[in-house]
Amino acid sequence: DARVTQTPRHKVTEMGQEVTMRCQPILGHNTVFWYRQTMMQGLELLAYFRNRAPLDDSGMPKDRFSAEMPDATLATLKIQPSEPRDSAVYFCASGLPTGSDTGELFFGEGSRLTVL
Amino acid sequence: SQKIEQNSEALNIQEGKTATLTCNYTNYSPAYLQWYRQDPGRGPVFLLLIRENEKEKRKERLKVTFDTTLKQSLFHITASQPADSATYLCALATGGGNKLTFGTGTQLKVEL
Repeated sequence: DARVTQTPRHKVTEMGQEVTMRCQPILGHNTVFWYRQTMMQGLELLAYFRNRAPLDDSGMPKDRFSAEMPDATLATLKIQPSEPRDSAVYFCASGLPTGSDTGELFFGEGSRLTVL
Repeated sequence: SQKIEQNSEALNIQEGKTATLTCNYTNYSPAYLQWYRQDPGRGPVFLLLIRENEKEKRKERLKVTFDTTLKQSLFHITASQPADSATYLCALATGGGNKLTFGTGTQLKVEL
């Protein structure tokens, strides 16, 4: 049963600490997305990769956030230093190659981050 | 500015009735639109996709319409069941490939 795997599922940290979230996309998917979900803003796109290359990170605060894909099986989202306003659920999603029938995204279960 | 609007008020309906959820957008010209379901503590799950040249799409008890003139999609669940209770998100293809921008979602509660 192919699925997107995210770690950690929950993270509580103190302001100023570095946070790294990891994602294993579904094998064969060449697009990977990081979204952040809050009650107020809903799902916001932070970063988007195709074939491991970053295509769009305009939604990401560049001074503290960074996203990478060291290889096809791992995507990371790092926050340094973290702030209370970063508290949210962070979702990773992967998708089939463009031109596929549905263009649907497959989401992981999310990483719930609380910054105190 | 670009917006995707879904009714932020929760929708409560009786079991067996048809639930209708609305997604309106401005300043987008999406090639397609998708609907997702999200349960508490879980990631969104894909339900249906409808393309800009399609008026209606059905899947079992689900029906989606897409009016590019009105810039609106309607999502219907017929013969609703308590198990349909969840938050439903619309998402527009807003860039190359399968980049999606999501609405804030509408919470549906189906009561016995």
